Amino acid sequence: DVKVTQSSRYLVKRTGEKVFLECVQDMDHENMFWYRQDPGLGLRLIYFSYDVKMKEKGDIPEGYSVSREKKERFSLILESASTNQTSMYLCASSLSTHYEQYFGPGTRLTVT
Amino acid sequence: AQTVTQSQPEMSVQEAETVTLSCTYDTSESNYYLFWYKQPPSRQMILVIRQEAYKQQNATENRFSVNFQKAAKSFSLKISDSQLGDTAMYFCAFMIPPLSNFGNEKLTFGTGTRLTIIP
Repeated sequence: DVKVTQSSRYLVKRTGEKVFLECVQDMDHENMFWYRQDPGLGLRLIYFSYDVKMKEKGDIPEGYSVSREKKERFSLILESASTNQTSMYLCASSLSTHYEQYFGPGTRLTVT
Repeated sequence: AQTVTQSQPEMSVQEAETVTLSCTYDTSESNYYLFWYKQPPSRQMILVIRQEAYKQQNATENRFSVNFQKAAKSFSLKISDSQLGDTAMYFCAFMIPPLSNFGNEKLTFGTGTRLTIIP
């Protein structure tokens, strides 16, 4: 079974802090994704990576950056957390051309 | 830009009944994929069913089936013999496959339907 894990289920940070959200997958997938899930808005893509050190902006990249130094790990970085970044963050991975995305359990981030 | 609309924010149905969740989408592309994902309370999102736009036959997976109407841009999910474990948020999603093997396989999601199965 594909396993996608995220470093924290719940996280509370203060405004202005630098926040790292980590995601690890164990199935050698090329593609990894970071989504943000908000009530009434569904899931929105923040960033996407299709290979090590490769990244592309999604629909809402402002205020976020990413890092993919190893194939299995994809990190989401909030350089200076703000209250409007309070949300559920979901990581996903997929095998290229197979299209099915496998999701992690999510990190519920609260910025106070 | 592609959009996905789920017009039913919440639904509830008695156990063992059949329920249909609606989804419409808007695109000018002819080649695309459609998905239904399920997110149970406090659990990970999983794929329920997928449909390739070039296939006329509706996809089925056990108790789950879709009604894919390409001309109407409609993609509804039918759950037969509903069970308590079907209680979840259901998201409809759309994807245009990239032209190369390594490209953006981005999913565009609807806003979700919260389905509750009543015992």
